Amino acid sequence: TQLLEQSPQFLSIQEGENLTVYCNSSSVFSSLQWYRQEPGEGPVLLVTVVTGGEVKKLKRLTFQFGDARKDSSLHITAAQPGDTGLYLCAGALGNKLVFGAGTILRVKS
Amino acid sequence: SQTIHQWPATLVQPVGSPLSLECTVEGTSNPNLYWYRQAAGRGLQLLFYSVGIGQISSEVPQNLSASRPQDRQFILSSKKLLLSDSGFYLCAWEGATEAFFGQGTRLTVV
Repeated sequence: TQLLEQSPQFLSIQEGENLTVYCNSSSVFSSLQWYRQEPGEGPVLLVTVVTGGEVKKLKRLTFQFGDARKDSSLHITAAQPGDTGLYLCAGALGNKLVFGAGTILRVKS
Repeated sequence: SQTIHQWPATLVQPVGSPLSLECTVEGTSNPNLYWYRQAAGRGLQLLFYSVGIGQISSEVPQNLSASRPQDRQFILSSKKLLLSDSGFYLCAWEGATEAFFGQGTRLTVV
């Protein structure tokens, strides 16, 4: 059973479209992170959200932390082929850092 | 600055052979260290984590073990590899606001 449920598992869209990836849990997290991973490499941090209801923007990416700190979303505006990759959410539970199953995003030109 | 080194990058091992993957961290002390396994295109499964020397917590029953002989060294081992041990293994350490990952080891058991 995944502590963090990510959806969708796979997304294939055309360049210029918008998309949203969701990360949900029944657990409350002190913080939640989003990572992007290229094939054959380790994940790289995109953002950390800490406060319930927090919204952070990183160029065309908008991250939101749920009010109850149990869920988060990643919205990409006008997706580009360079956005292609595996997107992972992660949360800290005590000393454990747990990850969702990931969303594979493919942006076609 | 903090860096994390993981090696080897790729490894092909026969079934029944031993395994030792090493991870070292520089530029920080007493880090929380993690070993993850990742199936192709999927999320990270937490295998082991360590909050200090000699302190290892196992998340899933398996054919692998971990050790932390020094503060900044984390080793993933197996006495006898199984075919199902094939995968992409990632070492990570947890900073104040994010996790930093090694480049990963692609293990193929044949």
